[in-house]
Amino acid sequence: KNQVEQSPQSLIILEGKNCTLQCNYTVSPFSNLRWYKQDTGRGPVSLTIMTFSENTKSNGRYTATLDADTKQSSLHITASQLSDSASYICVSFIYGGSQGNLIFGKGTKLSVKP
Amino acid sequence: DVKVTQSSRYLVKRTGEKVFLECVQDMDHENMFWYRQDPGLGLRLIYFSYDVKMKEKGDIPEGYSVSREKKERFSLILESASTNQTSMYLCASGRLAGRLKQFFGPGTRLTVL
Repeated sequence: KNQVEQSPQSLIILEGKNCTLQCNYTVSPFSNLRWYKQDTGRGPVSLTIMTFSENTKSNGRYTATLDADTKQSSLHITASQLSDSASYICVSFIYGGSQGNLIFGKGTKLSVKP
Repeated sequence: DVKVTQSSRYLVKRTGEKVFLECVQDMDHENMFWYRQDPGLGLRLIYFSYDVKMKEKGDIPEGYSVSREKKERFSLILESASTNQTSMYLCASGRLAGRLKQFFGPGTRLTVL
């Protein structure tokens, strides 16, 4: 069964600290995996996309990694800011399936405290 | 700046009412999607459309229908609203391509009393 699992469900950290969010995917055939950030009361916004051939990609203080062997992706946030408080959603796209074949994780809710 | 708009941010309806949620995108995207988002369940696909007048059922289509008469507009219809349809509804659009980056609207929080 195709599925995407995220951990932890929720996380509280102090401003300025680093954190890592995890995404384990069991999808076939795998095409790509995207990370979204969803601020409270808003729709998700894409942060980055990881394909089979990419190990690491950075977008400012956000760094995503992908290990195709273990089928794991992580999102590392460096020097967290209060504005990083949001839900982070991992989404995998199944290549060759219909355009609706997006498998969503349930998200990790991050709270950054002053 | 790309934009997906939804007709209402907050909506309160009574059980049995017919409810229309509208979504408009200005990016000429082929694909449009309707999701509902509930705590602990994440985003679940209700319906999607890959072209005008085309629609496909998602994971939870029961109790919903959709309409796509124009490329930029995708409507979600609750034929007879029920309390278990109280939720956050999110619309998204994306280009017909393998990487399928989705652009989401701000969401409509629907409460059915």
